[in-house]
Amino acid sequence: AQTVTQSQPEMSVQEAETVTLSCTYDTSESNYYLFWYKQPPSRQMILVIRQEAYKQQNATENRFSVNFQKAAKSFSLKISDSQLGDTAMYFCAFMRHQGAQKLVFGQGTRLTINP
Amino acid sequence: DVKVTQSSRYLVKRTGEKVFLECVQDMDHENMFWYRQDPGLGLRLIYFSYDVKMKEKGDIPEGYSVSREKKERFSLILESASTNQTSMYLCASSPGQLNTEAFFGQGTRLTVV
Repeated sequence: AQTVTQSQPEMSVQEAETVTLSCTYDTSESNYYLFWYKQPPSRQMILVIRQEAYKQQNATENRFSVNFQKAAKSFSLKISDSQLGDTAMYFCAFMRHQGAQKLVFGQGTRLTINP
Repeated sequence: DVKVTQSSRYLVKRTGEKVFLECVQDMDHENMFWYRQDPGLGLRLIYFSYDVKMKEKGDIPEGYSVSREKKERFSLILESASTNQTSMYLCASSPGQLNTEAFFGQGTRLTVV
């Protein structure tokens, strides 16, 4: 079974700083997908970024980028020029390439951006 | 925009009651999911469905059942609510193709007293 671990329960940075959230996972599969989801206080889960394991290039979406290290089974999220609206719970998630398309989530990291 | 709607945002029920949590999606998605969210545990999958009348157990199905009679609707049933089922429940749907985004409802915070 796959597992996802987020070792930082809480983080706090000043507005405009760069912050990196950590995620490690365990799987025996070679092909899979990784995601970062954001859950603001409104509780609405929003997809931030996704990575396909067979792609070596790290995914980027505006201020959000990932550092995908397949051999180390690491998938960190970097937020540049952080904004107050980035305050949220962030969840790392894994999905197998084949079979049921269910997501396996990490424990979450609560990120607070301070003015 | 895809919309996933959960019938209640907050719910308070008594121990032993039968509880229905309803979820409706409007984008003809194949897959629907029920997750439970608890602090420090993240989201854990209770049940999912990949077609009408089809269902599979997730990681924590004990004490729950589901129903999917129509493609757009996926119900989570607590047969006899217990206090350890007090939690946030999130419904999600996805199109049924790989690497696609799952869309979530706004969550139901259930308290069992």
